[in-house]
Amino acid sequence: DQQVKQNSPSLSVQEGRISILNCDYTNSMFDYFLWYKKYPAEGPTFLISISSIKDKNEDGRFTVFLNKSAKHLSLHIVPSQPGDSAVYFCAASPAQGNQGGKLIFGQGTELSVKP
Amino acid sequence: EAGVVQSPRYKIIEKKQPVAFWCNPISGHNTLYWYRQNLGQGPELLIRYENEEAVDDSQLPKDRFSAERLKGVDSTLKIQPAELGDSAVYLCASSFRQGRGEQYFGPGTRLTVT
Repeated sequence: DQQVKQNSPSLSVQEGRISILNCDYTNSMFDYFLWYKKYPAEGPTFLISISSIKDKNEDGRFTVFLNKSAKHLSLHIVPSQPGDSAVYFCAASPAQGNQGGKLIFGQGTELSVKP
Repeated sequence: EAGVVQSPRYKIIEKKQPVAFWCNPISGHNTLYWYRQNLGQGPELLIRYENEEAVDDSQLPKDRFSAERLKGVDSTLKIQPAELGDSAVYLCASSFRQGRGEQYFGPGTRLTVT
């Protein structure tokens, strides 16, 4: 049972335009969400996170939006650059307790930014 | 500051052979994680250590997988015997402490079982 889903395996965007990557989750116990970026032959690197008490978090060109009622989050990249081309993973973490810190990852979305 | 170090980067073995992966986390990071990433999927947690204690090994297939972190620093993940379905990338990550701290990943070991 896939608790975190990224339904788009790939996305292609023109340089300078907005990239929107989507993620859905099913477990209402998740209260912290993260996005990781992964280049080929490298490990995932942390990009941005959001707590369930917020609905938006912004860091430079990257903004994450959280809609708890819809159990949906999205990552916006504006403006997109060719160097943003990578696989993006959404991850969710349960509330504190013995599961605190455990990350459940989605399948990933491969973003391609065309010059 | 050095990141998470993993070795080897690539490993090809025949089925039924043993294999071991090594990970050295970022200095000062108490929490260490081993993940497995299958092709086209996200990483899946195998085991999580807090210092030398395995606090979550519920996803580790214990009939053939074992892990240790004897001194609470570096860690080894072993598979014996390997099966064809074990072909995957094995990722190690570390964080300063369990909880909300972001996890830092190593480059992974790509295992191919033939």
